[in-house]
Amino acid sequence: AAGVIQSPRHLIKEKRETATLKCYPIPRHDTVYWYQQGPGQDPQFLISFYEKMQSDKGSIPDRFSAQQFSDYHSELNMSSLELGDSALYFCASSLGGTGSYEQYFGPGTRLTVT
Amino acid sequence: KQEVTQIPAALSVPEGENLVLNCSFTDSAIYNLQWFRQDPGKGLTSLLLIQSSQREQTSGRLNASLDKSSGRSTLYIAASQPGDSATYLCAVPTGNQFYFGTGTSLTVIP
Repeated sequence: AAGVIQSPRHLIKEKRETATLKCYPIPRHDTVYWYQQGPGQDPQFLISFYEKMQSDKGSIPDRFSAQQFSDYHSELNMSSLELGDSALYFCASSLGGTGSYEQYFGPGTRLTVT
Repeated sequence: KQEVTQIPAALSVPEGENLVLNCSFTDSAIYNLQWFRQDPGKGLTSLLLIQSSQREQTSGRLNASLDKSSGRSTLYIAASQPGDSATYLCAVPTGNQFYFGTGTSLTVIP
C-alpha cells in the first residue's frame, strides 16, 4: 500500500540558509500534519492543513511557513535556519479534517544545521 | 492543553517476559489513542489505534486498552523479543492537534 512520502530524507544546511521540506500524503488523504522531533524529544506538532487550508497551528516558529497544494502535497519552508532547528521533521496524513482519523506518518526528513 | 505522560521512561526486560507500558493523558475529550513504535533515528510505525468508544484493541502479541474516563491507556506486550527493543510512544488527537507522550524506551535482553 502507498505510504506517506517525504523528501529529501536528509538535508544539511548552514545557519541563516533556507530549507524546503516536501510531503506527499497517501492518495485520497486530504489532511497533512507536520511535526518536529528534536534529539531525545517526543514529536511536537507544528501545523496542519485540511483541504488546502490551514486547520491548526502549534509551536511553529514565525521563520517557518507551510502550505498545502491542489494535489494535497505540502511543503514546509524554513528560513533563517538556526542550529536549534536541527531535528527530524515528520509529515503525517489522514482522511478527514479532524484528529479523529488515524494518522499515517512518513519516514521523516533529518535536517542538520551547521 | 493536553498533556501526555508515559511511565516508565525506560524499561529493560529479559526475552520472553510479558510487559506493560503505561500512558496517561489529562484531557479525556479524545477521539482515539494511537500507540507507535520508533527505532533510533527512524520514523514512527503505528502499532494500534483505539477509538474512544473502544476499550481494547489487539494485534498479534500486542494488546492496548483504553480507559477514557480515567485518562489512561496501557500497551501489553506478550512474550517479548529482542526485536521489540525500541521507543514506544502513545499519542492522542485533541482538536486538530496530535499530542505525543514522552515515550518508553524498551530494551529486551536476549
